[in-house]
Amino acid sequence: QSALTQPASVSGSPGQSITISCTGSSSDVGGFNYVSWYQQHPGKAPKLMIYDVSNRPSGVSSRFSGSKSGNTASLTISGLQAEDEADYYCSSYSSINSLVFGGGTKLTVL
Amino acid sequence: EVQLLDSGGGLGQPGGSLRLSCAASGFTFSSYGMSWVRQAPGKGLEWVSGISGDGGSTYYTASVKGRFTISRDNSKSTLYLQMSHLRAEDTAVYYCAKDRQVLANLDYWGQGTLVTVSS
Repeated sequence: QSALTQPASVSGSPGQSITISCTGSSSDVGGFNYVSWYQQHPGKAPKLMIYDVSNRPSGVSSRFSGSKSGNTASLTISGLQAEDEADYYCSSYSSINSLVFGGGTKLTVL
Repeated sequence: EVQLLDSGGGLGQPGGSLRLSCAASGFTFSSYGMSWVRQAPGKGLEWVSGISGDGGSTYYTASVKGRFTISRDNSKSTLYLQMSHLRAEDTAVYYCAKDRQVLANLDYWGQGTLVTVSS
């Protein structure tokens, strides 16, 4: 069982927007602004898409955005494209001196 | 350009040992924390261990504490993971990653190295 809870799957049509949630506790997501999101295509290493809750690294499309409310963080992808189909993982710093991941969400672009 | 090159994976015996390495380039290695993250076949990401930039602080997930040791040689810009008392459940692809902050925001990842524990 993962420390952070994500939906197993989400789907959307090209051009639509989708949101993936990531629920933790006051010991991780709710207590710190060190939430990040990663995209992983099959057979590839993860790629950082969002850090510090809502910041995009250089080179990441502005279609990706992040937010947080209480113990739940969210990743929104707008204007879905076929290339967005991948697994997405959230992570957070945890007060027990660790880093915790969510179980991952498989995004299908219909 | 930041590059992380993982190596050292392979077949390990239950109860045996393996040492993973991660050669870093393109950034001031000693200024950043580093982490190891693993992914069992068909499963999600699991953080394994982290280390501060100067190597003075180390962190482990509960399942590997006492069996794995993370270390770094800043003169060689290389990160290590010494894995001992291997178990079948340690079978995974192991990635090294650069932390933007210690234990947070992993902004660059290696390509991964596969560790298989089997007799």
